[in-house]
Amino acid sequence: QTVVTQEPSFSVSPGGTVTLTCGLSSGSVSTGHYASWYQQTPGQAPRTLIYTTDSRSSGVPDRFSGSILGNKAALTITGAQADDESNYYCVLYVGGGSWVFGGGTKLTVL
Amino acid sequence: EGQLVESGGGLVQPGGSLRLSCVASQFNFGGHWMSWVRQAPGKGLEWVASIKSDGSDKYYVDSVKGRFTFSRDNVRNSLSLQMNSLRVEDTAVYYCARVSRYAFDPWGQGTLVTVSS
Repeated sequence: QTVVTQEPSFSVSPGGTVTLTCGLSSGSVSTGHYASWYQQTPGQAPRTLIYTTDSRSSGVPDRFSGSILGNKAALTITGAQADDESNYYCVLYVGGGSWVFGGGTKLTVL
Repeated sequence: EGQLVESGGGLVQPGGSLRLSCVASQFNFGGHWMSWVRQAPGKGLEWVASIKSDGSDKYYVDSVKGRFTFSRDNVRNSLSLQMNSLRVEDTAVYYCARVSRYAFDPWGQGTLVTVSS
């Protein structure tokens, strides 16, 4: 069974930079997993930030960027703002028409 | 950009059935895979099922295989998720989403399914 791992929580200072990661319990994340990232605040539907590892979705500020760092997918927020305080989820395409989400990272900006 | 609107959620007893619907607009519905993603109260997102653009193949997370059936109508631009033998652990907000470049975008607003006696 494929398990996708994310940091449960992270904290960043306003104006600071934070990198959230998305890994696999066994193996490395590659571009072939087409990692995508979502931002969600309580009571709202998720908002798509990044698709196919490093492409920004329409209307997403360029302070959000995606990449592969080592053996994980990564979401970097540069110049964090108060309204970036949210839950962030990654999802990996694992083949055979299936996807697996990570458990999410709760980001605090303080 | 596209819009998705789900309906059909509600309260159902364990072992019961429910049918969710999702209507799409403002994009080429028949040209895209579609998916359902759910979120249990206070928990993370979970991919549930996907369907090819022509409806020829469907894919499910192991926990719903044999109980849920995903279908689509490309004339009516609509999706259906037939959920049978519901369990307490199926309680969640269910979102429909378009699959675009292996990502889910856009998302509907979600519909709440509560399985409880």
